[in-house]
Parts: sequence; C-alpha cells; structure tokens
Amino acid sequence: EVQLVESGGGLVKPGESLRLSCADSGFTFSSYSMNWVRQAPGKGLEWVSSISSSSSYIFYADSVQGRFTISRDNAKKSLYLQMNSLRAEDTAVYYCARENHGRLDYWGQGTLVTVSS
Amino acid sequence: QSALTQPASVSGSPGQSITISCTGTSSDVGAYNYVSWYQQHPGKAPKVMIYDVSNRPSGVSNRFSGSKSGNAASLTISGLQAEDEADYYCCSYTRSLNYVFGTGTKVTVL
Repeated sequence: EVQLVESGGGLVKPGESLRLSCADSGFTFSSYSMNWVRQAPGKGLEWVSSISSSSSYIFYADSVQGRFTISRDNAKKSLYLQMNSLRAEDTAVYYCARENHGRLDYWGQGTLVTVSS
Repeated sequence: QSALTQPASVSGSPGQSITISCTGTSSDVGAYNYVSWYQQHPGKAPKVMIYDVSNRPSGVSNRFSGSKSGNAASLTISGLQAEDEADYYCCSYTRSLNYVFGTGTKVTVL
C-alpha cells in the first residue's frame, strides 16, 4: 500500500525557517517525481514545487522561488521542503504528492505550517 | 501562473447530473491531455477522480467522467449521491513543466 506521511509542520514567526519531510513507502520511491502542494485555511490548492526522480529537474511556484528548496533522498525514501524567510501568506497545510504521468495520484495527510508573530 | 477558472459552487438533487467547468489557456489545459480532477472532503487530502482528461483510476465510480475541448475541461457527475458532496479541483500540467490547479468548486447535494 502506498503511504506518504508528512511531518515537520508547526508554528513559526515571520522570517524564520522550517523543514518539512515526507516519508514514503509501498512503492519504488526512486522511480517517481514528487511534488509539494499547499492549501491555505479555507482556500484552494496551490502547487508549490516538484522534483524529478533523480533530482535532475526541480521547479518552483513563483510565490516560493528563492525561499523554498525541495530535495529528496532516494535511499531514505524521503522528500523534503526547506522553507526559509517564511511569511504569513505561507500559512497552509502542506501535502506531498506522488506524480504519475501528469497526475498526482497519491497524497499524504498533510502537515500544518502556521506563520504568525 | 494563474489558477484555472472554475465556478465557485454547483448543486444538484440526488440522481441528477452536474457538470463542473475548468477554463485555462493554451499554455496549460490546451497544451496537453494532462488534465486531472480531485475530490476533497473537509479535513481530508485530495483524491484523484479523473486523469488524462477522461480516465478513471481503479476504484473510482463510473458516475464520474471528464472531457476537454480546446482550453476548457469539464467534470460530469451523473446519478448524484450524498457522498459526492465535496470540493472539486481541476489541475493541468503546463508548458512551464509545472502544475496549476483550478479555483475549486463546492458541490452541494440538495
């Protein structure tokens, strides 16, 4: 069974940093591109970042470019999102999702990041 | 990248059919046949209901169907059931090699 489990969320002040993790199991992690998607409270889904299976290709939404860094460790079957210079508007539930030929077919349960002074 | 446009809400009675539209541009919806639809119940993670415009993953009811014409896609739910009440998001792969989601549609079963 495919499982994605996010962790690392919490309450931080504006300007601070946070690192999210996504532990994956039940599939060959190293064969898939992975994505982060976020959802602000009461709002819609927003794609954040993606990383190819070998980390060769990395993309970011304009809203996080230069502040967030996506990475992965295929040996540990884990996906990461380093978030720096956090802003109030980064407050959201962050989901990791497996990419499968143009769709995000498996999602984690999400981890809440709150940026507030 | 601007979000794809969806109606804020759609409603229908049990047994009826409803259609949710999703309008994009030639850089996203119109660029590839990589349009997917996600169902999200309150407090839950999204679940893919349709992929590649019109394909259903294993386990998804055949009451859900998708289509695309030009820069617009649509999701139809036939035989509406109470359990279909949820938020629905379209999503498209783009020429920028990333994804863009729709604004979301709240489906209400009357």
